[in-house]
Amino acid sequence: EIVLTQSPDFQSVTPKEKVTITCRASQNIDTMLHWFQQKPDQSPKLFIKYASQSISGVPSRFSGNGSGTDFTLTINSLEAEDAAVYYCHQSNDFPYTFGQGTKLEIK
Amino acid sequence: EVQLVQSGAEVKKPGESLKISCKGSGYSFTSYWVGWVRQMPGKGLEWMGIIYPGDSDTRYSPSFQGQVTISADKSISTAYLQWSSLRASDSAMYYCVRNLNLDYWGQGTLVTVSS
Repeated sequence: EIVLTQSPDFQSVTPKEKVTITCRASQNIDTMLHWFQQKPDQSPKLFIKYASQSISGVPSRFSGNGSGTDFTLTINSLEAEDAAVYYCHQSNDFPYTFGQGTKLEIK
Repeated sequence: EVQLVQSGAEVKKPGESLKISCKGSGYSFTSYWVGWVRQMPGKGLEWMGIIYPGDSDTRYSPSFQGQVTISADKSISTAYLQWSSLRASDSAMYYCVRNLNLDYWGQGTLVTVSS
């Protein structure tokens, strides 16, 4: 089973800051890595697919990068509405797996 | 518009059986995988398993293999997650998801198991 490890677990940031969340896979997953945003009492939403592909309707300040085992989700110029938990997810090999999540708090 | 609409919240007793559903619309149901994700209270997301309604190919996470059954009825564009004997530890929110990259999510079904 592929283990995804996110860092940090929690981050408190001020608006307009740039934020980077990292996801490391325990083995090569090519670019089969996706990012999700979950706000309280809501279903998660796909924010970045296949490591770096944007999703219609997601603000352009969100971007993804990486391949192989190391991936990043970057949020440029953070806004208050970006407070949420972010998860990475791999679809390279069954069983698919998620990272443990990164909680982003806005100061 | 793609939609996944799940059945409503359930309250069950330990040992009871349960089958929850997820109806897909706005797309070709037999052409996309449909999966299930568990979220226990205050915890992260756990991938449970997935089914391809076109041919019923089903894959499970080892953590859930033997504990649940995933099925689909393509005639009514509906996927199912079922338990034969619930435990208190099955209390969680369950989401159905479309496609291998989980591009659409249902609204979630809250399952509470308590004596």
